[in-house]
Amino acid sequence: TQLLEQSPQFLSIQEGENLTVYCNSSSVFSSLQWYRQEPGEGPVLLVTVVTGGEVKKLKRLTFQFGDARKDSSLHITAAQPGDTGLYLCAGILAGGTSYGKLTFGQGTILTVHP
Amino acid sequence: DAGITQSPRHKVTETGTPVTLRCHQTENHRYMYWYRQDPGHGLRLIHYSYGVKDTDKGEVSDGYSVSRSKTEDFLLTLESATSSQTSVYFCAISTEGRVYGYTFGSGTRLTVV
Repeated sequence: TQLLEQSPQFLSIQEGENLTVYCNSSSVFSSLQWYRQEPGEGPVLLVTVVTGGEVKKLKRLTFQFGDARKDSSLHITAAQPGDTGLYLCAGILAGGTSYGKLTFGQGTILTVHP
Repeated sequence: DAGITQSPRHKVTETGTPVTLRCHQTENHRYMYWYRQDPGHGLRLIHYSYGVKDTDKGEVSDGYSVSRSKTEDFLLTLESATSSQTSVYFCAISTEGRVYGYTFGSGTRLTVV
């Protein structure tokens, strides 16, 4: 059983469309991160959210952390072919000594067609 | 100036042989991690280190060992490689604090035949 359930696993859309990726859990996280990964490379950190209800914007990307710190979403406005890639959510469980250990969702493969 | 490098980038090895993957950082970060990435599973933590000679197991540590004799190097060893260990392995480093800032290496693609 995946601690962080990410959906959808695959997303194929046309340039200019909007999309949302969800990351859900029954556990509470002290922080949650979103990464983007391109083929043959390691994940690159996009954003970290730490406060319940927090919203962060990165150009056309909007990230939200749920009020209870159990879920998060990534919304992309007017998607472009350059947004194509694997998007991963990852969180650090609340409580105890974490040593920064991340728990990852399964990932969402996004393809944006011109 | 990548800050973190992994070697080798690709390796093919035979079942039953030992394999060591190396992660080198130039950032002087205390925390280092080894993850493996497989389709449908995201990334899963194998082992991590919170200082020189301080290491602990992650969720998928069976068949793997690690060593950290210097701040900058974190080695992952597959004692006796099996086909189930065919995967892409990523090393990561992290800053400390409430917000852990992760940087990942470019990965090692390991194939066990």
